[in-house]
Amino acid sequence: QQQVKQSPQSLIVQKGGISIINCAYENTAFDYFPWYQQFPGKGPALLIAIRPDVSEKKEGRFTISFNKSAKQFSLHIMDSQPGDSATYFCAASNKGTYKYIFGTGTRLKVLA
Amino acid sequence: NAGVTQTPKFQVLKTGQSMTLQCAQDMNHEYMSWYRQDPGMGLRLIHYSVGAGITDQGEVPNGYNVSRSTTEDFPLRLLSAAPSQTSVYFCAISKTGSDTQYFGPGTRLTVL
Repeated sequence: QQQVKQSPQSLIVQKGGISIINCAYENTAFDYFPWYQQFPGKGPALLIAIRPDVSEKKEGRFTISFNKSAKQFSLHIMDSQPGDSATYFCAASNKGTYKYIFGTGTRLKVLA
Repeated sequence: NAGVTQTPKFQVLKTGQSMTLQCAQDMNHEYMSWYRQDPGMGLRLIHYSVGAGITDQGEVPNGYNVSRSTTEDFPLRLLSAAPSQTSVYFCAISKTGSDTQYFGPGTRLTVL
């Protein structure tokens, strides 16, 4: 049962453009929403995360927007660079359970 | 992949063979987990442990066994490998009270 739906499956963006990846969840008990970045042959690495008590979190060129009523959250990558080319996963969990549900991933390619 | 090691990096098995995937950490984190990553499926939780002597099932536990006798190690056992277990396996750790997960570099397993 897929509880976190991620889109698009793949994304191609020009250098300097904005990359937007969306996720939607079903379980209203989720209260932690991280984004992971994964390069080929490597394990996922935490990029940025948000809790539902805020609507936006920004770290450098990466921003999470969170819409609690719509049960949706998105990752925005500003000024996208070729080095950002990777697979991005959203996830959700209940605090303290350590059980994460991942989205299916988005393969991002930033053209030079 | 700070402090998390996985062995082997690659493995090919025949149907019915058994093997153990190793995961070790030197960060003294209480929580350890195993995920499998399949194309178009994201990462799915197999088993997890909140401390030595304590394990529990995740989303896709069938066909896998785990044990946790020390804080440092969390091996994943396949008793009778099946082609459906062909996947990339990731071990992850987290510290109690922190939501950040650190992933290992992964083991690519092929079952013929």
